[in-house]
Amino acid sequence: RKEVEQDPGPFNVPEGATVAFNCTYSNSASQSFFWYRQDCRKEPKLLMSVYSSGNEDGRFTAQLNRASQYISLLIRDSKLSDSATYLCVVNPSNTGKLIFGQGTTLQVKP
Amino acid sequence: EAQVTQNPRYLITVTGKKLTVTCSQNMNHEYMSWYRQDPGLGLRQIYYSMNVEVTDKGDVPEGYKVSRKEKRNFPLILESPSPNQTSLYFCASSLRGRSTGELFFGEGSRLTVL
Repeated sequence: RKEVEQDPGPFNVPEGATVAFNCTYSNSASQSFFWYRQDCRKEPKLLMSVYSSGNEDGRFTAQLNRASQYISLLIRDSKLSDSATYLCVVNPSNTGKLIFGQGTTLQVKP
Repeated sequence: EAQVTQNPRYLITVTGKKLTVTCSQNMNHEYMSWYRQDPGLGLRQIYYSMNVEVTDKGDVPEGYKVSRKEKRNFPLILESPSPNQTSLYFCASSLRGRSTGELFFGEGSRLTVL
């Protein structure tokens, strides 16, 4: 089993739709979690950190479910510009060894 | 402007010819790391450094070396490149502790080894 797993997609959704991605992790002691966005052939960029209480930034909401060992990213009112690959990142022990998921590709269609 | 700068951005080389990819950050970050990205395999960590003179192996360190003599620089060295090191390489930096995962990435270096 991979340490961090994501459904690669692609998720094809119409503009305005709500879409959610999950990311599961195997190490129950994992301490911190993050979502990144990566556009084709570009560097990943931090979208948001995931806190125990969940957090929201505009149309984006991130949640952590420690019992089931997954984090989620919800995008409301999808825009064409949201089309990208979304990567989840887990820091198993607050060391420098970060683990990236393979990413979930989102395509928002007009 | 806060940034991570990698050079070269594109490089074609031949097997066995030593090369260095430089990485520099201007944010006074303690943590720096190198990743390679390959289709179907995602981003994999090569080496990381928690501070000056402190480096550790990531998941795929074979064939690579790093050094951290200054806080701002973290070069990646391929002593004898091989074709399986053809990849897209990213350098990243962040603060330490809980914020270690809040990375700033360089624009990437696309390396082809013939």
